Amino acid sequence: DQQVKQNSPSLSVQEGRISILNCDYTNSMFDYFLWYKKYPAEGPTFLISISSIKDKNEDGRFTVFLNKSAKHLSLHIVPSQPGDSAVYFCAARGFMDSNYQLIWGAGTKLIIKP
Amino acid sequence: NAGVTQTPKFQVLKTGQSMTLQCAQDMNHNSMYWYRQDPGMGLRLIYYSASEGTTDKGEVPNGYNVSRLNKREFSLRLESAAPSQTSVYFCASSGGRDAEAFFGQGTRLTVV
Repeated sequence: DQQVKQNSPSLSVQEGRISILNCDYTNSMFDYFLWYKKYPAEGPTFLISISSIKDKNEDGRFTVFLNKSAKHLSLHIVPSQPGDSAVYFCAARGFMDSNYQLIWGAGTKLIIKP
Repeated sequence: NAGVTQTPKFQVLKTGQSMTLQCAQDMNHNSMYWYRQDPGMGLRLIYYSASEGTTDKGEVPNGYNVSRLNKREFSLRLESAAPSQTSVYFCASSGGRDAEAFFGQGTRLTVV
């Protein structure tokens, strides 16, 4: 049973428009959420995060929104640029087996069209 | 600053062969992790080490062993490779509870 779900395997957006990537989770005890970006043949790199006590965090073109009641978070990229084409992973942190662990979504492949 | 370095980048094994994936980090991080990534699935944690001298099982530990040789190095061993272990393996490290994880470039392993 996947605790973190990214229901869109891929998303295509016109350059300059807004990209919205979604993530749903099931465990209300998750306390920290992260977005990572991954290019082919590279490891994931950290993009932005949000604590469960907040509902929004912004960093330049990237904004993450958290809706705890809906157990939903989203990543907004405005404006989208060609270099944003990548796979985006959502991850949630929970305290399990006496340690903090990250649970990952399956990823969404974002394609920015020129 | 190399960050997290994994070797090898690519490997093909025959069923039943053994091998060790190496990982080293130069960021003085306490925690290190081994993940595997399969098509259509997120990163799944194989083993992790919260600090030097400790290791714990993650979500998918079967068929693997790990060694936290020192603070810098965390290796993953496949004693008897199986085709189900064909995957991309990522090593990662993090500095603490609130710190994000830094990843290596990955090892693409094929077991035939």
